[in-house]
Parts: sequence; structure tokens; C-alpha cells
Amino acid sequence: GAVVSQHPSRVICKSGTSVKIECRSLDFQATTMFWYRQFPKQSLMLMATSNEGSKATYEQGVEKDKFLINHASLTLSTLTVTSAHPEDSSFYICSAAAGGITEAFFGQGTRLTVV
Amino acid sequence: GQNIDQPTEMTATEGAIVQINCTYQTSGFNGLFWYQQHAGEAPTFLSYNVLDGLEEKGRFSSFLSRSKGYSYLLLKELQMKDSASYLCAASDSNYQLIWGAGTKLIIKP
Repeated sequence: GAVVSQHPSRVICKSGTSVKIECRSLDFQATTMFWYRQFPKQSLMLMATSNEGSKATYEQGVEKDKFLINHASLTLSTLTVTSAHPEDSSFYICSAAAGGITEAFFGQGTRLTVV
Repeated sequence: GQNIDQPTEMTATEGAIVQINCTYQTSGFNGLFWYQQHAGEAPTFLSYNVLDGLEEKGRFSSFLSRSKGYSYLLLKELQMKDSASYLCAASDSNYQLIWGAGTKLIIKP
């Protein structure tokens, strides 16, 4: 299957700082990228959907000014957690799709810990 | 509203067969996915069904009944490495994935 690379895999940051997570599709052009967060023992929660070259669509309850998403090219999307707080500690996962029809390919996930 | 239901946890024995059920209600339907997720890792794709019937792929098979809003994942010849969470997700009319909470499968020797 297609490869989606997410970086970093783990990050620890201080409260109040910002963290950027990158999601790259390595062997296909991702017209749509999805950002999820997952708390322990819970399923994936969609945060936002981004299409290349346009603004991301955020799910209800997700602060767009706090979770900045940029999808500037067909192979790269970034999620920036601004002014991080301990409650933002979670597992963040991106997935990428070409054409948005069938399979979406997942990155490896990023474990964010805010101390 | 849109909803996915699957059991929270199941236990099975190594070498046996287990069936994980999933029922869904979505606005429109563009297919049903099954993913496997080991603790601390991202999900990996297992299967996709959009037509009624059984799709077999090695030890794993997936079934879909659109009229019943029902799917199941069948795992045969269970191995210890199959211990994981299994996520059911339905694609709605906008191709958004609606996720179930996942079924934690515990395999015992």
C-alpha cells in the first residue's frame, strides 16, 4: 500500500509552547488529508479535514486557532498545536487519501506529551 | 444521526475463530472499512467492502449486508499477534469515515 510518513513520532514540550507535526505522502498525491486525535482506549476522533490549497474544515468543538492545519502541497500537511497545555497530550494521527473514495493511508502517529 | 456500534472487548483462544460484529447508521454509504490497531500504533488497513457479501483475504474475511447495516470481521487460525483493537468505520455520502470505538481482541494461549 501507499506510504504516509508522520514526524515526529514522539514529542515532549513545555506548556505554552507550540509543536508542529508533519504528515507526508511519499508515493502518491494526497488531495485530502485527515487529522485525528486518539485518547487512551478510545477510538479515533476526527479533528479536521484538509484539501490541498484550501482551508481546513474543522469538526465541531475543535479550535481552529489552536490547531493550525496547513496543506500547502499534495504531499505535505502540517498540524501545529499552539500554546500547548497538558490536556492536549494525546496521540495524533494523520491519514491521506487520493480522490477521497476508498482507502485512506495512515501515518505512524505522534505521541504528544505536554509537561 | 450517524452511529457505529461494535463490542468493546472479546476474548478468544489461539488457533480458534472469532467474529467481530459491527452495525452502522450513516447518511449515505460508500463502503465499510476494517482496521487493526495495536496499542500505541496507528491503524493499519484490513479490508474494504462496498457490495454485499464476503471478501476473503487470507486468515481474515469481511462480510457486508447493506440492507441490514451490518458487517463482520472474521479472523481464523488466531495467533497471539492478532491481539489488538479492531476498528470498524463506515464511509458516508461525503466520503467521511465514521469510526466505531473499536473492539479490543484478547487472544489466550
